[in-house]
Amino acid sequence: GAVVSQHPSRVICKSGTSVKIECRSLDFQATTMFWYRQFPKKSLMLMATSNEGSKATYEQGVEKDKFLINHASLTLSTLTVTSAHPEDSSFYICSARDTLAGVIQYFGPGTRLLVL
Amino acid sequence: AQTVTQSQPEMSVQEAETVTLSCTYDTSESDYYLFWYKQPPSRQMILVIRQEAYKQQNATENRFSVNFQKAAKSFSLKISDSQLGDAAMYFCAYRENTGNQFYFGTGTSLTVIP
Repeated sequence: GAVVSQHPSRVICKSGTSVKIECRSLDFQATTMFWYRQFPKKSLMLMATSNEGSKATYEQGVEKDKFLINHASLTLSTLTVTSAHPEDSSFYICSARDTLAGVIQYFGPGTRLLVL
Repeated sequence: AQTVTQSQPEMSVQEAETVTLSCTYDTSESDYYLFWYKQPPSRQMILVIRQEAYKQQNATENRFSVNFQKAAKSFSLKISDSQLGDAAMYFCAYRENTGNQFYFGTGTSLTVIP
């Protein structure tokens, strides 16, 4: 099946710093990618929809200046957590939809962020 | 927004036995897709099975099958001959035919007892 990678898999940073997470579709083109946040033993919460070549669409309650999304190519979307604080600590998951194959979303392995 | 409900936060099954996980959803659409995803301890989301709403036949993938009841807006997952590797969180998800967004249920944690 299609593969989506995320980097880094885990990151620890100091409060106030910014962290960038990359999401790549390895063997397909993804016009649209999605960023989720997941708290322990909870469901996935959609943060934003990343659109190649245009601005991301953020879900209600998600600060766009806090969580910067860039989707500069058909295979790469990045999420930057700016001025991270301990409450931003979470598991972040991206997914991508194969532009040519439609329905299924393929998920990355996730990034565990810990802000000290 | 659409809602997806999984009423069983936790389930357990004896190895080699069969277990059914429940999912209901709310929609006014007639054409949509339903999915079951598995999230093992590694936290990698893995697609288990999918169902197109326009298909009456229930989807089947090896030991995994669904019972899709469109009128009742129910989409349960049956796991036959349960294996230790089936232990995971299972999420039911809904997607409109014309949309991109997935709506996830709250998940069911499945334990497989040796």
